[in-house]
Amino acid sequence: DAGVIQSPRHEVTEMGQEVTLRCKPISGHNSLFWYRQTMMRGLELLIYFNNNVPIDDSGMPEDRFSAKMPNASFSTLKIQPSEPRDSAVYFCASRYSTVYNEQFFGPGTRLTVL
Amino acid sequence: AQSVAQPEDQVNVAEGNPLTVKCTYSVSGNPYLFWYVQYPNRGLQFLLKYITGDNLVKGSYGFEAEFNKSQTSFHLKKPSALVSDSALYFCAVRDEAGANNLFFGTGTRLTVIP
Repeated sequence: DAGVIQSPRHEVTEMGQEVTLRCKPISGHNSLFWYRQTMMRGLELLIYFNNNVPIDDSGMPEDRFSAKMPNASFSTLKIQPSEPRDSAVYFCASRYSTVYNEQFFGPGTRLTVL
Repeated sequence: AQSVAQPEDQVNVAEGNPLTVKCTYSVSGNPYLFWYVQYPNRGLQFLLKYITGDNLVKGSYGFEAEFNKSQTSFHLKKPSALVSDSALYFCAVRDEAGANNLFFGTGTRLTVIP
């Protein structure tokens, strides 16, 4: 298996632009998680899905952030409009079934908003 | 409420010496505990987990961790450190009766000195 795939790996954009991050979970995994990592705040859970349904989005910073999972093999995290403070590394992770299984993380997308 | 604490931001150890990275947790029920490692510019990689059973858990790359219920701790250990072990280490916890997601600590940067 190729593991969790994220694209793009790096994104540089200007303030006010729309940014879309993509994630393909490991085949067969039915839970998907989006995290954000910064030096100041560490690793933060933004949202997670179970069987393509958003379960907890309490970590989404504000309405500028939205996430979708239209099917079991694809998810997007969108920021519109982007701001410099959104600059961070965004990770996607997936997990199979039970809650005592470990999460598998993707390589991350490094976002820089100028 | 669930939380995890990693009291040390930085741990330095000489190559060949034993290493310990500390983690304490707080949950209302029985804990599920995990350790992850993050190398530079990479996603988090799963090392080991404790769900139930033997308090000493063995994982990848020669790492092990000991679950101590009375001290609510889950310290990561390795008998002999390698320079290649230098990385950022995260402890995570989930309450068996709680939320579906993991709660991560702030991370401990391990530096193994040649």
